[in-house]
Amino acid sequence: AQSVTQLGSHVSVSEGALVLLRCNYSSSVPPYLFWYVQYPNQGLQLLLKYTTGATLVKGINGFEAEFKKSETSFHLTKPSAHMSDAAEYFCAVSPSGAGSYQLTFGKGTKLSVIP
Amino acid sequence: DAGVTQSPTHLIKTRGQQVTLRCSPKSGHDTVSWYQQALGQGPQFIFQYYEEEERQRGNFPDRFSGHQFPNYSSELNVNALLLGDSALYLCASSSTGRREKLFFGSGTQLSVL
Repeated sequence: AQSVTQLGSHVSVSEGALVLLRCNYSSSVPPYLFWYVQYPNQGLQLLLKYTTGATLVKGINGFEAEFKKSETSFHLTKPSAHMSDAAEYFCAVSPSGAGSYQLTFGKGTKLSVIP
Repeated sequence: DAGVTQSPTHLIKTRGQQVTLRCSPKSGHDTVSWYQQALGQGPQFIFQYYEEEERQRGNFPDRFSGHQFPNYSSELNVNALLLGDSALYLCASSSTGRREKLFFGSGTQLSVL
């Protein structure tokens, strides 16, 4: 069984400030981990993913995340927030290896950027 | 290259009715997954189709059924609609060997009155 917990349903940051969105997961097998972004009235867009290899993963739009197995965490960061980053962010987990890649999502964190 | 397309974009139904949602995968993709996203929640996996068969299923009742056609497009059918079925229904496609890389459509917003 897998689950994802995103701490903070709503995060506000000032433009230019650090963005930190928290994600902790539970998985009975080694996981694949994902961050998706959703803009209003749109589907989900993949920001970045961890499957194997380097634990620091760089994604689109300047975002990155670090897989920390000991902490079962996969927090998303961006050094400097931009107004266009305002959206909802979802962390997701799936079992690794060949298979269906059925994603289990967290409840999401809505990011607001204050000018 | 068109991405994942879903139709219709919005739909209003009444309790007890049946609904069919449609999805065309991204070009080159052969696997389609469906997710339900209730208001204020993350998407929940409904099922996945590959080679015209249901391969995986989430915790959804039999009222939810699907189909995949030879051209890889897919339908989601929901019978005996309940108020709680009101949600955004997302279709995602992927390709064999890269099933971890999902591309999502913009979804169908279903309202059940």
